[in-house]
Amino acid sequence: SQKIEQNSEALNIQEGKTATLTCNYTNYSPAYLQWYRQDPGRGPVFLLLIRENEKEKRKERLKVTFDTTLKQSLFHITASQPADSATYLCVHSWGKLQFGAGTQVVVTP
Amino acid sequence: GAVVSQHPSRVICKSGTSVKIECRSLDFQATTMFWYRQFPKQSLMLMATSNEGSKATYEQGVEKDKFLINHASLTLSTLTVTSAHPEDSSFYICSAAMLSAQETQYFGPGTRLLVL
Repeated sequence: SQKIEQNSEALNIQEGKTATLTCNYTNYSPAYLQWYRQDPGRGPVFLLLIRENEKEKRKERLKVTFDTTLKQSLFHITASQPADSATYLCVHSWGKLQFGAGTQVVVTP
Repeated sequence: GAVVSQHPSRVICKSGTSVKIECRSLDFQATTMFWYRQFPKQSLMLMATSNEGSKATYEQGVEKDKFLINHASLTLSTLTVTSAHPEDSSFYICSAAMLSAQETQYFGPGTRLLVL
């Protein structure tokens, strides 16, 4: 079955550094992947969508890559800030949205 | 743009009562709305998909008679948890998709339900 995997361990990072999150998928080739942010007790917020024919996409301090050979998407937060602390979800669509478990990012001052 | 609201944000009720949760798309028309449930430290799990004016499509294992969904207009969908029990306590989140961009869903802030 189609599967999406994110690193379940929390990522602790110092303010100003770049946080890099990994999303791996198996058993299918998604036409696109999406990244969402979720804060505790809140609904997810859409961040970026990257299509299979796009190698990279940027939005302010966020950058997403899509490597169809490695079957992987990387999500980068550059110049991270404490306000970036949240859980980041990699999401694919197979008729409906399928969410990864998410990776918690903790940015310390 | 693309704001989705939910009401109430938090509800506590006694076992056996019914609870209605509203989901509204405030600044766009949503042809499709989705209802999810999320337990602590777990992924969002899709419960059902609803299209305006038609019956909702429920995911496997979700009781349609227990979780009643109504999508009466392009901006409003409601989820009613009937005869709620403590095991129904969870975080319920709705989302809405625009006709012009069905790939992306815009999520509401969620409703925390606690059944005593």
